[in-house]
Amino acid sequence: DADVTQTPRNRITKTGKRIMLECSQTKGHDRMYWYRQDPGLGLRLIYYSFDVKDINKGEISDGYSVSRQAQAKFSLSLESAIPNQTALYFCATSDTTGAAQHFGDGTRLSIL
Amino acid sequence: LAKTTQPISMDSYEGQEVNITCSHNNIATNDYITWYQQFPSQGPRFIIQGYKTKVTNEVASLFIPADRKSSTLSLPRVSLSDTAVYYCLVNAGNMLTFGGGTRLMVKP
Repeated sequence: DADVTQTPRNRITKTGKRIMLECSQTKGHDRMYWYRQDPGLGLRLIYYSFDVKDINKGEISDGYSVSRQAQAKFSLSLESAIPNQTALYFCATSDTTGAAQHFGDGTRLSIL
Repeated sequence: LAKTTQPISMDSYEGQEVNITCSHNNIATNDYITWYQQFPSQGPRFIIQGYKTKVTNEVASLFIPADRKSSTLSLPRVSLSDTAVYYCLVNAGNMLTFGGGTRLMVKP
């Protein structure tokens, strides 16, 4: 969905490095989410935000932090990356009904 | 959060109707049933959502029996491009829980 843009699309880094993944949206949605997907598995929720002042932990928040800089921007940080955080990361947005979430095309992160 | 169970994989042929059933025995009163489609290296894409009975849109139908403990996604006349993973989710608004999904393979 081109309305939800993730950068970078691919990143290779080393253990211990700090990594930031960025997400921006033009849909005007208040709600934004970060998920990770491991090979052959479904998505797991890391963090979500219902508006600029709201941050909530998801299913697997340990080792991650987020920042909601504006309605349109939601970034995910790995303070000290470890190899088992190697995964495909997705950002998503939804309106306040939550009827459907709109996903970006993902960031493929490899930690060596 | 309600847990869903769906087949790991299904095969079909072009032009056939495909029905994927999902069970969600502990669905809550406020939960909706939502289906997503995911192609490799892409984010999931919303297909359809329903609460009860039947919902139809331009790509699929969703059938939900009265007890709401299961639901069936129906894809009419599938094509090769419908080969993807299909996820069934139940959610009360925003907390989506993705299971492993159903990997649909459409053959010529």
